[in-house]
Amino acid sequence: GAGVSQTPSNKVTEKGKYVELRCDPISGHTALYWYRQSLGQGPEFLIYFQGTGAADDSGLPNDRFFAVRPEGSVSTLKIQRTERGDSAVYLCASSSGDRVNEQFFGPGTRLTVL
Amino acid sequence: ILNVEQSPQSLHVQEGDSTNFTCSFPSSNFYALHWYRWETAKSPEALFVMTLNGDEKKKGRISATLNTKEGYSYLYIKGSQPEDSATYLCASNNAGNNRKLIWGLGTSLAVNP
Repeated sequence: GAGVSQTPSNKVTEKGKYVELRCDPISGHTALYWYRQSLGQGPEFLIYFQGTGAADDSGLPNDRFFAVRPEGSVSTLKIQRTERGDSAVYLCASSSGDRVNEQFFGPGTRLTVL
Repeated sequence: ILNVEQSPQSLHVQEGDSTNFTCSFPSSNFYALHWYRWETAKSPEALFVMTLNGDEKKKGRISATLNTKEGYSYLYIKGSQPEDSATYLCASNNAGNNRKLIWGLGTSLAVNP
């Protein structure tokens, strides 16, 4: 079956611009996660959705970052007024929501802010 | 230990060598330990999820063990091949908030042919 997909695979933008990153989870997975990985670091948790609602958004670095999942499937991570420090690989993962919480990842979107 | 720590940070081995890495994690309120392999330009791939002290899991030439009392896990690769070259990440989640995985920085493995 289809895995987690993310678009675009690469995004280059200029400082101050707005970007949207899309994640299509595995069908039927109720939980969806966004992570950010900067060079030399492990994945950094951003936000977790259970269904349509953001169950934990404690990892969003500031109010320029926002994510939605209006129908409980596809999610969009939105970044306003991008800064060079936002450059990273943005990973999306989904899981069935069971207690063990094995997460299945997409290939990521590499965001470069010039 | 408050964070997940992995060692070594990077490793270079010759084809055919066996190798192992360490993941240390908070042992209090532990729920599960995850190992992932991440090859460049691909999705992180789940290798193992372990929950019980003494768990051992195996997939082909790769195996992992878990010690929840002292808070560590070992990942072993027997007879390394160039295609094993990747970053190996571990993450733990605890019973208090099992939705949030706490990640290590990874071990970058390069296997020379």
